[in-house]
Amino acid sequence: GDSVTQMEGPVTLSEEAFLTINCTYTATGYPSLFWYVQYPGEGLQLLLKATKADDKGSNKGFEATYRKETTSFHLEKGSVQVSDSAVYFCALSSNTNAGKSTFGDGTTLTVKP
Amino acid sequence: DAGVIQSPRHEVTEMGQEVTLRCKPISGHNSLFWYRQTMMRGLELLIYFNNNVPIDDSGMPEDRFSAKMPNASFSTLKIQPSEPRDSAVYFCASSATGGNQPQHFGDGTRLSIL
Repeated sequence: GDSVTQMEGPVTLSEEAFLTINCTYTATGYPSLFWYVQYPGEGLQLLLKATKADDKGSNKGFEATYRKETTSFHLEKGSVQVSDSAVYFCALSSNTNAGKSTFGDGTTLTVKP
Repeated sequence: DAGVIQSPRHEVTEMGQEVTLRCKPISGHNSLFWYRQTMMRGLELLIYFNNNVPIDDSGMPEDRFSAKMPNASFSTLKIQPSEPRDSAVYFCASSATGGNQPQHFGDGTRLSIL
């Protein structure tokens, strides 16, 4: 079945540091890939997505490229801010299963001033 | 646009009581998902509906849990009787049809069973 493996956390960085959170997946066919972010006390919200190989999703300075050859979708940001502190989830969704998504375990990011 | 609306935001009750969580999905979305999130187990999919029909309830932990979706704009998750180990944050999410559509989450119901 489908699965998503995320880099284990927690990750602690200083402000303005470079961020990478690794994500690899296993799926049949050609899934869509997503990164969600969860701030304390809130639900998950979509950060970015990519729907086919070599697509790059980007939002708020975050980027991730859909790499079919390495089955990866790593999240990157060039310069993190304290406000980026949150839990980040990688997820995939196949075109079957009525939009059901498979989520990674989440990676907690703390950015210190 | 109104997002996914969940109620109540917080619920504290004693074990053995019936608990009902409510969700209003985004208008026009065909799929609805119920999740449970805890520190120990992370985010777990309990059940999901498509066009108001339950598709997969394999994540429902026990017969004490039940979910309904009587129409396209309302769903409930019921726990009866509740137990302390049911304490968690319960999220509802909805999405439009299609695997490339993201899920939109509500802010969750924080449930504490004493």
